Amino acid sequence: GAGVSQSPSNKVTEKGKDVELRCDPISGHTALYWYRQSLGQGLEFLIYFQGNSAPDKSGLPSDRFSAERTGGSVSTLTIQRTQQEDSAVYLCASSLKTWGNEKLFFGSGTQLSVL
Amino acid sequence: DAKTTQPTSMDCAEGRAANLPCNHSTISGNEYVYWYRQIHSQGPQYIIHGLKNNETNEMASLIITEDRKSSTLILPHATLRDTAVYYCIVSGYSGGGADGLTFGKGTHLIIQP
Repeated sequence: GAGVSQSPSNKVTEKGKDVELRCDPISGHTALYWYRQSLGQGLEFLIYFQGNSAPDKSGLPSDRFSAERTGGSVSTLTIQRTQQEDSAVYLCASSLKTWGNEKLFFGSGTQLSVL
Repeated sequence: DAKTTQPTSMDCAEGRAANLPCNHSTISGNEYVYWYRQIHSQGPQYIIHGLKNNETNEMASLIITEDRKSSTLILPHATLRDTAVYYCIVSGYSGGGADGLTFGKGTHLIIQP
């Protein structure tokens, strides 16, 4: 069956440009997460969507980062005026949010390189 | 403050059982213990989770101490493909907000041929 799909798999951009990263979650999954992983580091939580509730943006590192989830399905993470420190793998995950059953299914990520 | 403590790295011989420890002394009553792993250049993969009883699935076994302050993930017959970073996470679902999973540094398990 289809898993979490992320696109593009690789993105190279110049400092100061805007980028959009896309995530297609597993159909029916109500929760969607964005994480960031810098080289050799652990996963850093960015933002969380659950159903129609307002997203939890507590992990976004700056106001250059924003995300939306249209129709409770596809999500787009936008980084404006990219900086070199934004270079990382951006991972999306989705889950069927039920009590004690937080199995996250991750995509393969988008490798972002800011030159 | 980190909710879990894991060794930075471990080695295990191929074919032997790999036992990965995790301390979570501040775990609360409604928090589950989850294990994920991340193979190089891939997204994390769910392995197993439990509340207080031991659990087993096709991938691994999870042993949780009676006081729930620590747990052990057991890979019964490790293969070279099990080389990965293993994350132990505690998390509970309170019904609102990002109760999602906070990933620490994990344990880098290296399976030796």
